[in-house]
Amino acid sequence: QQQVKQSPQSLIVQKGGIPIINCAYENTAFDYFPWYQQFPGKGPALLIAIRPDVSEKKEGRFTISFNKSAKQFSLHIMDSQPGDSATYFCAASIEGRGSTLGRLYFGRGTQLTVWP
Amino acid sequence: EADIYQTPRYLVIGTGKKITLECSQTMGHDKMYWYQQDPGMELHLIHYSYGVNSTEKGDLSSESTVSRIRTEHFPLTLESARPSHTSQYLCASSARLPPYGYTFGSGTRLTVV
Repeated sequence: QQQVKQSPQSLIVQKGGIPIINCAYENTAFDYFPWYQQFPGKGPALLIAIRPDVSEKKEGRFTISFNKSAKQFSLHIMDSQPGDSATYFCAASIEGRGSTLGRLYFGRGTQLTVWP
Repeated sequence: EADIYQTPRYLVIGTGKKITLECSQTMGHDKMYWYQQDPGMELHLIHYSYGVNSTEKGDLSSESTVSRIRTEHFPLTLESARPSHTSQYLCASSARLPPYGYTFGSGTRLTVV
């Protein structure tokens, strides 16, 4: 059972476009939602993260929008560049203390291609 | 510099061989994870550890085993490699306290012929 559902599987945009990647979850106990970026031959790297007490977070050209009532969150990339071409993963976890907490549940990934 | 290291980066090995994929981190993280990444990108958790002498199987059934004798070291072993084990293996670690963002290694690409 996929804890976090991600779409689309692949996305192609022109340089300067605004790709949007969407994720949905069911477990209302999730309270930490990071996005990871993976380039070929590398491991995923943390890009940006949000907690459910805010509806939006921006870091540079990357924005997370969060809709707690709909249990959805999305990544927007403003003014996309060819260097943004990568695989993007959304994830969710339950924060808090305790040895079993903090495990990340990943979406299946979105392969983004930005054409020059 | 705090980081997580995986060796080897690439490995081509014959069927039936025993192999160990190494993973070490210098961040003092308690939690460590092994993921198998298929060509379709999806990450499958195969093993995890929440501390020394603690190991658990993940969501994806795997014929591999792991050990955690030292905090910084989390090797993965395949006793008898098969072509179906051909994949990308990623190691990750996270801190004991929030936020629990993972730090990933660069991965080992394993090919069994």
